[in-house]
Amino acid sequence: DAKTTQPPSMDCAEGRAANLPCNHSTISGNEYVYWYRQIHSQGPQYIIHGLKNNETNEMASLIITEDRKSSTLILPHATLRDTAVYYCIVRVRENTGNQFYFGTGTSLTVIP
Amino acid sequence: NAGVTQTPKFQVLKTGQSMTLQCAQDMNHEYMSWYRQDPGMGLRLIHYSVGAGITDQGEVPNGYNVSRSTTEDFPLRLLSAAPSQTSVYFCASSYGYRSSGANVLTFGAGSRLTVL
Repeated sequence: DAKTTQPPSMDCAEGRAANLPCNHSTISGNEYVYWYRQIHSQGPQYIIHGLKNNETNEMASLIITEDRKSSTLILPHATLRDTAVYYCIVRVRENTGNQFYFGTGTSLTVIP
Repeated sequence: NAGVTQTPKFQVLKTGQSMTLQCAQDMNHEYMSWYRQDPGMGLRLIHYSVGAGITDQGEVPNGYNVSRSTTEDFPLRLLSAAPSQTSVYFCASSYGYRSSGANVLTFGAGSRLTVL
């Protein structure tokens, strides 16, 4: 039961911006969108999160649409080390707390 | 800070054997969870805990047991291992699960399990 929808794969030229889209049309009004990435078989690494406003940190920028039904993760100058699987997730509230469901993510390949 | 520590990193079992995957965190996180990752399947939630003494099932709980006797530890038990449980297992924790604010997950390095 996917909470988010992402394209399965994308390519990006080294040095260019990588724009990774995500649809989360069922997101609740007070829920955050989170982005993680996983390099090879390592544990997923947190990148950024946002609620309504666009966010930027040292790793990436997050653009959230006004209706909050989709978002885009931007890696401004992609490097070969950014090749990874990127997950967009939302928190699902259940009786005992908050659950995070991951989909299959987007496999980003940065091309030299 | 060690963060989230998983042991063992690699394990080979025979069908029917039991074992426990250990997960420990030193960040005083309330929320802890177990995921499994199979090729092409992304991460799927097995069990989670929102505090000591409280556990609940995720998407794929069958064949696994958990307990949370302390804030720091959240072991995952395989009662009778099956080849279908061959996977990479990740433990994750987060602070402040009850808050309306953001909950950032910290993951362990993973435990690769093979069941023959």
